[in-house]
Amino acid sequence: QSVLTQPPSASGTPGQVVTISCFGSTSNIGSNYVYWYQQLPGTAPKLLIYRNNRRPSGVPDRFSASKSGTSASLAIRGLRSEDEADYFCAAWDDNLSGLLFGGGTKVAVL
Amino acid sequence: QVQLQESGPGLMKPSETLSLTCTVSGDSVSSGSYYWTWIRQTPGKGLEWIGYIQNIGSTGYNPSLKSRVTISVDTSKNQFSLRLKSVTAADTAVYYCARDLIYRSGWLEHWGRGMLVTVSS
Repeated sequence: QSVLTQPPSASGTPGQVVTISCFGSTSNIGSNYVYWYQQLPGTAPKLLIYRNNRRPSGVPDRFSASKSGTSASLAIRGLRSEDEADYFCAAWDDNLSGLLFGGGTKVAVL
Repeated sequence: QVQLQESGPGLMKPSETLSLTCTVSGDSVSSGSYYWTWIRQTPGKGLEWIGYIQNIGSTGYNPSLKSRVTISVDTSKNQFSLRLKSVTAADTAVYYCARDLIYRSGWLEHWGRGMLVTVSS
């Protein structure tokens, strides 16, 4: 059971916007940065967003993220077939003194 | 370009000790202030942070695994390793090594491809 809560699935048609939420608590999202990872089938997770809302070089600006209080969200705009993947949020937890991951959200492009 | 590669046995028996090694290229495990990290992924529990080691040898472990885990670094081989004692079927997972950029962050820029470890009698 993940302490960071994500919906198990999300979907949209090409070109649409898909939003994924990530709910935590004061000890993790509420007091630390949130990171998002994209995991394509059969591959390792890839850093998509760091420090709440920043994109590493090479990540399209179709991907954006935000954080408010103890929750965070990732938005995928202009959805494409290649965006079909699992998306995970992550944040350090001060109580655990360790890194927590969300359970992951599988995005389907219909 | 930084690359990480996991290696070790793919099949274990219950009660054995799992030993995995992560070989780093394009960077040095003894330089900088990176946190060399192990993470595992199971279908049931998703991604689980196991712990890290810094180049100076300081470590941090997931409390749920702390009693069974040791992470070490071998600067001469540019590798870091994971030892997990007394494995059970619940330890069956894909194990990833990764580089965390900043202390207590989760800024995992670089990952290995992952290695499936199956625990079965």
